[in-house]
Amino acid sequence: NAGVTQTPKFQVLKTGQSMTLQCAQDMNHEYMSWYRQDPGMGLRLIHYSVGAGITDQGEVPNGYNVSRSTTEDFPLRLLSAAPSQTSVYFCASSRPSWEQETQYFGPGTRLLVL
Amino acid sequence: DQQVKQNSPSLSVQEGRISILNCDYTNSMFDYFLWYKKYPAEGPTFLISISSIKDKNEDGRFTVFLNKSAKHLSLHIVPSQPGDSAVYFCAASDSGNTGKLIFGQGTTLQVKP
Repeated sequence: NAGVTQTPKFQVLKTGQSMTLQCAQDMNHEYMSWYRQDPGMGLRLIHYSVGAGITDQGEVPNGYNVSRSTTEDFPLRLLSAAPSQTSVYFCASSRPSWEQETQYFGPGTRLLVL
Repeated sequence: DQQVKQNSPSLSVQEGRISILNCDYTNSMFDYFLWYKKYPAEGPTFLISISSIKDKNEDGRFTVFLNKSAKHLSLHIVPSQPGDSAVYFCAASDSGNTGKLIFGQGTTLQVKP
């Protein structure tokens, strides 16, 4: 199993550009989430999904869109990048809650918005 | 409002001694708590967890203690090893919904040889 994979590893954008951060998992996990990590802030939840076709907002959803058309993939879209979105982005997946599973994280995407 | 707080940004201990990392939470609906370890340029990796029906959980050198009345949990590492040097995050969820974790700010642990 590859686990959770994220592409690209690193990206530089100009203000106003759009891009999609890709996330895929091969563990057949129903739950998938996107977090951003900023210095001194820990990881903050952007959006999450409890299954294909179902998404919900986390703590810091503004400026980001998500969709979940398959169990395996959960892309994160930046429609118009801003310098405040410079961060490290982590995707994670887990099983349904009653199994008390932990989340498995991808290696992260470093995004720099100029 | 930070629902999960790790008030110590950093901790330095000598190899072989005990490391104690602390975490406080404010939301009484949280009933499942986890600790993650993170090395630079990698994603967080799961370390240990505890359900609110327990007050202690052990896994080898790692023990997590939960004090529900104080809304406080701690991670004990005994004995500490240089390879334990990393950033440690505590996280919490309600109803075990691990798709929606709330993280603390992290504590950087340095274990000196």
